[in-house]
Formats: sequence, C-alpha cells, structure tokens
Amino acid sequence: NAGVTQTPKFQVLKTGQSMTLQCAQDMNHNSMYWYRQDPGMGLRLIYYSASEGTTDKGEVPNGYNVSRLNKREFSLRLESAAPSQTSVYFCASRDEQGGRDYGYTFGSGTRLTVV
Amino acid sequence: AQSVTQLGSHVSVSEGALVLLRCNYSSSVPPYLFWYVQYPNQGLQLLLKYTSAATLVKGINGFEAEFKKSETSFHLTKPSAHMSDAAEYFCAVTTYSSASKIIFGSGTRLSIRP
Repeated sequence: NAGVTQTPKFQVLKTGQSMTLQCAQDMNHNSMYWYRQDPGMGLRLIYYSASEGTTDKGEVPNGYNVSRLNKREFSLRLESAAPSQTSVYFCASRDEQGGRDYGYTFGSGTRLTVV
Repeated sequence: AQSVTQLGSHVSVSEGALVLLRCNYSSSVPPYLFWYVQYPNQGLQLLLKYTSAATLVKGINGFEAEFKKSETSFHLTKPSAHMSDAAEYFCAVTTYSSASKIIFGSGTRLSIRP
C-alpha cells in the first residue's frame, strides 16, 4: 500500500547513545517532515525538507539532525540521546497538486524511550 | 503566520449524541484547514480538508466541518457518536507555498459514554 513507512516502531536507548530513525514515502511527494508528539503538547515540528536536497529547522531542532537522502527518504538522527528526547516521532509527507495543499500523510510512528 | 486553537482538551459525549469539536484559526492569507484523527498507538489519519472549494466539507466516518470565515472557525461535527469515534482529534492550518508548514492544534480527546 502507498504511504509513509517508518522504522523502527519501538526503540530504547541509553543516554548518550545515537540512532537514526528512517522514513520513506512512495507517493512522489516533494515535502517531508519530522514531528515529535508529547502528552498535552500536540505535534511539534523538528525538521522539514521542502524538496530533495534541502532541509530546514522547525520549532524544536536542538539535538537532532536530518538527511534528505533522495526524494523518497528522510532520516532523523539523534547524535547523543537525552531523556528529554523520549517521545513518539512521526514522519509525514505532503500532498501538493496544482498549487494546492491536500494534506499530510503520516507514518505510524516510532516510540523512543531514552533511559 | 498561522495558528490554530482547539477549545477543550477533552470532550465526552454519550453514544448517539451530537459530536462538536471546536477549532479556531488565525491566518493572514486564505488558509487550508484540516482535521486529523489519531487512534491509540497509531499515526494521524486525515479526516477531512478545506482547500477553498465548498465551505461545508464532508469527511470519512460521517464527520463534517464548516469553514466560517467571519468566525475564523472550522468546527468538526458528527450527528450521532459511535463508540469507535473515541480518539484524539487534531485541527491543523497551513497556507500554500513551498516553504509553508502545517500547524497543529494541541488536540481534543473525544470519549464516548455507553
């Protein structure tokens, strides 16, 4: 099925460890996004990529890096994990047609716990 | 800049009753508006979207929303609640440009009483 695929679904890290969250979409969307979701805070944008080869910071970029590897793939890296990065992470891609915005498609999320 | 405010972090209704989830937006240019639903331990799923066509938008699972420019509102309704509607609902706003980002409200958790 067409959509956004995130891996892994669950991960436990020790403080200071690094890891990369993977995201791939097969809908030929130009824009891709990484959000984190924390209780009572809705979704906050970490980084986004408006097109292949470009990335920009969102609301909460500190402690993260991203790579837009190609049009399909957008990865999120935690270089030195901290307990404050315990969260659910969602990747999304954006449907744009004829100059109109038809919404985002989200992956199923990665539940990350940093101990 | 855009923003969105969802009134009520938690709404509880009886099965069969009207569901009304409130969303107000702020945008300096014509907005695109969305409602998303998130079931427990799942990602967000698009319920419906307003993209400057009809002001009354029908979505999946019997939900609809009406864009009211004069009130800067985009409230979500469903005539008769079902137990399966229990979930968290997010209103979101964006404008079209290559650099625009979608802004989410803080969410409203909908509970359904038997």
